[in-house]
Amino acid sequence: GAVVSQHPSWVICKSGTSVKIECRSLDFQATTMFWYRQFPKQSLMLMATSNEGSKATYEQGVEKDKFLINHASLTLSTLTVTSAHPEDSSFYICSAGRGFEKLFFGSGTQLSVL
Amino acid sequence: GNSVTQMEGPVTLSEEAFLTINCTYTATGYPSLFWYVQYPGEGLQLLLKATKADDKGSNKGFEATYRKETTSFHLEKGSVQVSDSAVYFCALSKTDKLIFGTGTRLQVFP
Repeated sequence: GAVVSQHPSWVICKSGTSVKIECRSLDFQATTMFWYRQFPKQSLMLMATSNEGSKATYEQGVEKDKFLINHASLTLSTLTVTSAHPEDSSFYICSAGRGFEKLFFGSGTQLSVL
Repeated sequence: GNSVTQMEGPVTLSEEAFLTINCTYTATGYPSLFWYVQYPGEGLQLLLKATKADDKGSNKGFEATYRKETTSFHLEKGSVQVSDSAVYFCALSKTDKLIFGTGTRLQVFP
């Protein structure tokens, strides 16, 4: 079946550095991908919708200059956490597909900012 | 606003025990309801769904019934296996977005 690959699985970085997370659809083209974030003991929250060839749509309260999303091709979307700080430490998940019943998720990236 | 509330985990059970993971929701109108499962090292997968009141979603021995009167969508399984150990997410769909709960970790021991 369709698979979404997300890398890296975990990353540790120093405060002030930038981190890039990749999300790839392996055997289908995804015009839309979604980025979620989950803090400990909190809900999985939608951050933004990534649209191929155009700007991402960010949810209310998500800083677009902080979380840069690039969807340059039909199989790749990237999320870059710029100038990361400890409060950005979280679990990030991407998804792609058509409709909620055919939505495929990456395995997630655990970001720890020291 | 729209939200989903799940019971906190972890839920720890012995093999063949009965499982219930509670999920309640707040939403206007008639959302669709979902349960997703995330096995270790894998992405979330759709486990089952229900699109209207009194619908029962079922898959792999798991069941959940859309109860509008109690705004609930509790997940149940009669006899869990070690391989069911995972994190379970309840979710609702509203327009073009999925709204998730916090997830509940299930640990099944032999």
